[in-house]
Amino acid sequence: GQQLNQSPQSMFIQEGEDVSMNCTSSSIFNTWLWYKQDPGEGPVLLIALYKAGELTSNGRLTAQFGITRKDSFLNISASIPSDVGIYFCAGPYYGGSQGNLIFGKGTKLSVKP
Amino acid sequence: ETGVTQSPTHLIKTRGQQVTLRCSSQSGHNTVSWYQQALGQGPQFIFQYYREEENGRGNFPPRFSGLQFPNYSSELNVNALELDDSALYLCASSSRRGQISSGNTIYFGEGSWLTVV
Repeated sequence: GQQLNQSPQSMFIQEGEDVSMNCTSSSIFNTWLWYKQDPGEGPVLLIALYKAGELTSNGRLTAQFGITRKDSFLNISASIPSDVGIYFCAGPYYGGSQGNLIFGKGTKLSVKP
Repeated sequence: ETGVTQSPTHLIKTRGQQVTLRCSSQSGHNTVSWYQQALGQGPQFIFQYYREEENGRGNFPPRFSGLQFPNYSSELNVNALELDDSALYLCASSSRRGQISSGNTIYFGEGSWLTVV
């Protein structure tokens, strides 16, 4: 079935550094979503990608929809302490007709001041 | 703030008991989905409700059931609780059923933490 593999599982970085994480699948996706989850809270949508090759930014965050439709990347520039959290990629179930999502297992980001 | 509200925020139940979790969707959203998130994992889709009917279900047993009301709010019911049901239960709403797009984004509530002892 459809699965999303995120890497790395966790990252420990210094404040000010840039961060890069990715998400891959053996299946084609027609939408990629990136969410951030803070401890004890629900996931918050950061960036949505709807077209292969699309590159979209949201402040210091930039995400790309891979041209193979089987991967996506999220970059964070000049990290700050509030970037700490778990970042999830997600995509719709096959066909997307139901509007429901499958998630990767997340990348846990820790930022050292 | 996503406009999706869930209650209760935390609860503890005993194995074998039943639990009901509640969700109010964002204003104007008629589609509600429920997800289970175990510790250290990503959310897993349980089921979706649209126009008061179940509209898709993930790999969860029948003891997980739900309701959607005319005002689009929803309930998740879990019977015969097991220890493995301990998780964060997330409600998500969207403006319509169908393909995710820039006009049909999914927003999550803050979740209900369930502990089964």
